[in-house]
Amino acid sequence: GQQVMQIPQYQHVQEGEDFTTYCNSSTTLSNIQWYKQRPGGHPVFLIQLVKSGEVKKQKRLTFQFGEAKKNSSLHITATQTTDVGTYFCAGYGYSGAGSYQLTFGKGTKLSVIP
Amino acid sequence: GAGVSQSPSNKVTEKGKDVELRCDPISGHTALYWYRQRLGQGLEFLIYFQGNSAPDKSGLPSDRFSAERTGESVSTLTIQRTQQEDSAVYLCASSLARENTIYFGEGSWLTVV
Repeated sequence: GQQVMQIPQYQHVQEGEDFTTYCNSSTTLSNIQWYKQRPGGHPVFLIQLVKSGEVKKQKRLTFQFGEAKKNSSLHITATQTTDVGTYFCAGYGYSGAGSYQLTFGKGTKLSVIP
Repeated sequence: GAGVSQSPSNKVTEKGKDVELRCDPISGHTALYWYRQRLGQGLEFLIYFQGNSAPDKSGLPSDRFSAERTGESVSTLTIQRTQQEDSAVYLCASSLARENTIYFGEGSWLTVV
């Protein structure tokens, strides 16, 4: 079945440093979504990427979808303490036997040291 | 409602008891998911409902776990004979369709003592 790997599992950065999390799928994806979960909260949708090579920006966050639509990244420029949380990618793709599924990565937990 | 609603928000139960968790999805959302998240861990897929199609139960960890959904509305997740390893937050989510953005509820925090 479809697998989505996300690295790193944890990242500690000094406030103001950049941060990147990477997501790789075992199969080609129809789309990839990114979610953020603040400590004690529930995952909240950030963005969806659909096209090969797509790049989208939200203020200090830059999301990329690979040319082969099998990998994606989230880059945060000049991290702030408000960026603390766990970032999940979720890939939607064919899982076999005629079915599609949405598969979450295990997430990257970001800590920001003030 | 405006968002995905889950109840109870917190539940403490004794080992061996049954628990029932409820999810009320966003109106009009045909897809509904249940996930389990243990403390500090990732999202573990449990079950997926899409309209009147047969649910995808491939993530249910044992036969103690079951879920139902009435049409395209409320869903209940039942855990029978709870064990301590069942302690987790159970998140419900809904979407217009499987490939669309999913919206999570606040979760039901279950503690088995």
